Amino acid sequence: AQSVTQPDIHITVSEGASLELRCNYSYGATPYLFWYVQSPGQGLQLLLKYFSGDTLVQGIKGFEAEFKRSQSSFNLRKPSVHWSDAAEYFCAVGPFSGGYNKLIFGAGTRLAVHP
Amino acid sequence: DAGVTQSPTHLIKTRGQQVTLRCSPKSGHDTVSWYQQALGQGPQFIFQYYEEEERQRGNFPDRFSGHQFPNYSSELNVNALLLGDSALYLCASSFGRGGPPGNEQFFGPGTRLTVL
Repeated sequence: AQSVTQPDIHITVSEGASLELRCNYSYGATPYLFWYVQSPGQGLQLLLKYFSGDTLVQGIKGFEAEFKRSQSSFNLRKPSVHWSDAAEYFCAVGPFSGGYNKLIFGAGTRLAVHP
Repeated sequence: DAGVTQSPTHLIKTRGQQVTLRCSPKSGHDTVSWYQQALGQGPQFIFQYYEEEERQRGNFPDRFSGHQFPNYSSELNVNALLLGDSALYLCASSFGRGGPPGNEQFFGPGTRLTVL
C-alpha cells in the first residue's frame, strides 16, 4: 500500500539557518511526489513537484527537493529560512490509479522559526 | 481569477446531525476531490467527482456522500455526525480525469467542522 512518512513532527530553526524536512514514501511504481505548505487558517499551497527527469527540483519561495529512488526519499530543503516560512509542511505522493488522481499525505512537519 | 472557494468557513454541529459543505472549483477545472484533515494529521482522501459522478473513494463510511453539479461545483454531505468527524474539510479541484503530470490539484481554504 502507498504511504508517506514524515519522521519529524516538529522542527525549530533560527532565521537564516538552513532547513531540511524529511519525507519517505512507499509506492510500487514510479511515484509522483509533492510538497505542500499550509499556513494557519489557510489551504494547501503547492511548493514543488517531481514527476520525472532531473531529481533535483526547484519550487517557489526558494525551496528545492531531491528525489532519491534508492532511499525512497524526497527531502525538502531551503538554504536560508525566513520567519515567514513558519508553517506546516506536507509531503504527498500521487498515485495514478485507474485514471483518477488522488493524493496520499504524510502527517506533516510543523516548522517554527526563531528570530 | 478566483481560486477554489469553500463555504462555510466554520461550522458547529451536534452529534447525530447532518451537515453539507460546499465547494466551487477553480475556473476551468471540472474535477473536485474532498479531503478530511483531522487535527495534527495530514489530509485523508474522501472521494473525487468527475462528470457528476463519484469516481474514486477513500476509506470512509457511507455516511459521507457527495454530489457534483453541472457547473462543476460540489457538495460534501455527512450524516449522523460523530465526534470524530470534527476536522478541517478541504476541497481540491483539477482539470480532467487524469493524474500527474500536469494535473495539479488546487486546494481551497477548507471548512472547519466541530461536532459537539
